[in-house]
Formats: sequence, structure tokens, C-alpha cells
Amino acid sequence: EPEVTQTPSHQVTQMGQEVILRCVPISNHLYFYWYRQILGQKVEFLVSFYNNEISEKSEIFDDQFSVERPDGSNFTLKIRSTKLEDSAMYFCASSPEQYNEQFFGPGTRLTVL
Amino acid sequence: AQSVAQPEDQVNVAEGNPLTVKCTYSVSGNPYLFWYVQYPNRGLQFLLKYITGDNLVKGSYGFEAEFNKSQTSFHLKKPSALVSDSALYFCAVRDSLTGGGNKLTFGTGTQLKVEL
Repeated sequence: EPEVTQTPSHQVTQMGQEVILRCVPISNHLYFYWYRQILGQKVEFLVSFYNNEISEKSEIFDDQFSVERPDGSNFTLKIRSTKLEDSAMYFCASSPEQYNEQFFGPGTRLTVL
Repeated sequence: AQSVAQPEDQVNVAEGNPLTVKCTYSVSGNPYLFWYVQYPNRGLQFLLKYITGDNLVKGSYGFEAEFNKSQTSFHLKKPSALVSDSALYFCAVRDSLTGGGNKLTFGTGTQLKVEL
């Protein structure tokens, strides 16, 4: 069964460093998303991406964040200058159509020191 | 604006007994409702959804949920719980009137513990 994959599973970085989190969505899906979950808190929407552009973003998704689909398979989230409060589990998701369920990857745990 | 409430942080049930995990929502338009399950150190696994049609929705692993528009609820149920059902359950909603980004808003999660 096809699934969303994410790399790395765990990323440790120093405050102020740039990180890139990588995702490979399910191959025939058209809509892509990033969510995050701070430890012990609920899952929060960051951004959605369709047709090579951002379709919606939350207030969390400020100028330090960017997303890209550099080729036909990868979908990346870049945090330009990490802060301590960016420490969280980041989930990538994809869906085939606009109103379908979203399929989530296993997540990348980001730890900012 | 769209929001979801899961009033119980934890639900305990004995194996073989029926279980219910509660969810209520608030939207401006029509709701698209989802249940996900999260096992430790794993991602979110889709269980079931309500988009339109029958109010009783059946999903994976014997779970079902009932959409109740008048009570703005979408409670998750299973007739007979298994120890392996123990996990964190999230309800999520999307408002039909929000933008085209398909943003899901999640509840705070309910920890289900099924004991022998």
C-alpha cells in the first residue's frame, strides 16, 4: 500500500541554523501539506500546497518557513533560522483530491538546541 | 472559523466492552469530519470520514462514527474494544466555507486505554 515517507526521522540542530525536512508524498496525489505537533499538544496546520504554489498557510508559517516541490516526487519544508520553539514533530501529508482524507507520513522530530 | 473539541483527555474501557470517544465541532458552513489514530512514535493513521450522505460512517478496524448535525457531534464508536485499540485518537474538521487549502483543524486528542 502506498504511503507518505519522511526523512530524516530525527533532526537535531543548533538555534539559528537552517533545516530542510523532506517528504515524498503518495505518487498520484495532488495536494500536499505540512503540520506540526509540539510535544503534548495538538496537531497544528502549517501550510498547504497545490499546483506548485501555496494555497493556504497559518499564522505559524511566517517568513522563516518555505516549502518547495523541487521535482516530481519530493516536497520539502525549510526553516531558515530555527528557534527553540520550532522543536516539534513535523508531519507531511498528501491527498488525491480536494475533499479527500489526508494521508500522513511518520513525521520528523526536530530538536532545536 | 472551524474548531473541534474533544472533552475527554482519557477514556478507559474493558476489553470486549463498547467504546465511545467524543467529538464536537464548530463550522460556518458544512463540516467535513475525520478521525485519525496515533500510536506511539508513529504518524497519524486515517480511520474514517464524513463528507455527505449517511450519518453513520464505518471505517477501519471495526470503528464507526455517527454524524449528528443538531448536536454538532461526530463521536467515534466501536462495539467491542480490543487491547490493541489503545492509542491516541484525534478528531479533525474542515469547513466547507474555508479557502481552498483544505486545512484540517484537530482536536486535542483522547487517549484510549483498553484493559483486560
